[in-house]
Amino acid sequence: AQSVTQPDIHITVSEGASLELRCNYSYGATPYLFWYVQSPGQGLQLLLKYFSGDTLVQGIKGFEAEFKRSQSSFNLRKPSVHWSDAAEYFCAVGPGGGNKLTFGTGTQLKVEL
Amino acid sequence: GAVVSQHPSRVICKSGTSVKIECRSLDFQATTMFWYRQFPKQSLMLMATSNEGSKATYEQGVEKDKFLINHASLTLSTLTVTSAHPEDSSFYICSASGGGDTDTQYFGPGTRLTVL
Repeated sequence: AQSVTQPDIHITVSEGASLELRCNYSYGATPYLFWYVQSPGQGLQLLLKYFSGDTLVQGIKGFEAEFKRSQSSFNLRKPSVHWSDAAEYFCAVGPGGGNKLTFGTGTQLKVEL
Repeated sequence: GAVVSQHPSRVICKSGTSVKIECRSLDFQATTMFWYRQFPKQSLMLMATSNEGSKATYEQGVEKDKFLINHASLTLSTLTVTSAHPEDSSFYICSASGGGDTDTQYFGPGTRLTVL
């Protein structure tokens, strides 16, 4: 069975500091991996995705993520956080092809000014 | 591209009434649509998957007679909460995949349902 673990429920960083959100997955085949962001009362916005190829993927809003097969991880990073990045971040894994995703429990990011 | 809308964004209804929520893909044809439910400060719980022209596939524990899903066209899916009760109050989010990228789900903005 597939699963996603986001070990950090809450993270607080200062504006301008770097950020890394952790995501570990369990999946039997080659995974399709996603990071989504959700602002309060809103739907999910796709930040980036990994299917194959270069293991370092760039996304919107200055985010990037690195796929590490040996560690079953897909951590999200940003070199300098902005106050507007405060939101809930979800990592997800799936088989692709329009099939259902498995989501992690999310990481709530707070940015201190 | 890949914009998904939901209507209404908020709805308040009395217990026992039915509520319909629409999910539309605005700039692509959605071969598959998904309906999720999200409780406060929790992750998304998949309720059902629907393919255009087919019956929806419901996740275990989701009452198909209570949560009616219709995916009549490639751009529209509806979720009807029948005989709603206060415990059905939640945030409902749809997503869609299709067009040139069938591997990615694009999410709507969500609908906040409050049942009095």
